[in-house]
Amino acid sequence: EAGVTQFPSHSVIEKGQTVTLRCDPISGHDNLYWYRRVMGKEIKFLLHFVKESKQDESGMPNNRFLAERTGGTYSTLKVQPAELEDSGVYFCASSQDRGTDTQYFGPGTRLTVL
Amino acid sequence: GQSLEQPSEVTAVEGAIVQINCTYQTSGFYGLSWYQQHDGGAPTFLSYNALDGLEETGRFSSFLSRSDSYGYLLLQELQMKDSASYFCAVGTGGFKTIFGAGTRLFVKA
Repeated sequence: EAGVTQFPSHSVIEKGQTVTLRCDPISGHDNLYWYRRVMGKEIKFLLHFVKESKQDESGMPNNRFLAERTGGTYSTLKVQPAELEDSGVYFCASSQDRGTDTQYFGPGTRLTVL
Repeated sequence: GQSLEQPSEVTAVEGAIVQINCTYQTSGFYGLSWYQQHDGGAPTFLSYNALDGLEETGRFSSFLSRSDSYGYLLLQELQMKDSASYFCAVGTGGFKTIFGAGTRLFVKA
C-alpha cells in the first residue's frame, strides 16, 4: 500500500510569488489534513477535509492560503502571495477513520520564502 | 486557548528507560496520540489512548489520565535509533488535532 505522498519535497520562492503544494493521501482515506511546522515549534493544524468537503479550516493563517480537494482524492494548498513567515515544513496526513485518530503523514514539503 | 505541554529535550543512555510527559488543555478530548519523527522524516504514529490506563506496544507504552489531563510515553530498552522527536497530540472532538511542540530525545551510548 502506497503511503501519503507530497510534492514538491522542497520549494524555494521569493516573497510575493505563488506556490502550490500537492498531497496524495492513501487510497481510500476520506480524511485529509494539512499541517505546518515552523522550526522548533509545534505541528500546527491548518485544515481538515472529509472527502472533498472542508470540515475545519480554523487553522488557516489568512486568506493568502487556499486549500482544495476536488473529487475527494488529492489535495492542493496554494499560498498566494507568499510572505517570509510562511516558511516552514508543510505536512499532509490522511486517515481512514477520524475516530481512531491514527493519521499517516507524508514526508512534508519544505517551503522557504526569501 | 488550546495547548499541549511537553519537555523540549530529554537525554538518556542506551538500554535505559525514559518517560516523556504531556499535559493538555483543550476544548474537547477525543484521545491522546504519540508520534515519532526522525530528522527530515514524516511523523509516524506510535500509540493512541482514548481511555485511562496503560497501552503497551513492544518497547513503547503510553499512559493516559483524563482526570489529570495528563499522559506519558514510556520507552524501554532504549536504542540509538530511538533518537528522534516525539509529539503528543490530542483529538479535540471536532475535526482538529492539536500537537505539542515535540520532545527531542537524545540517546547516548
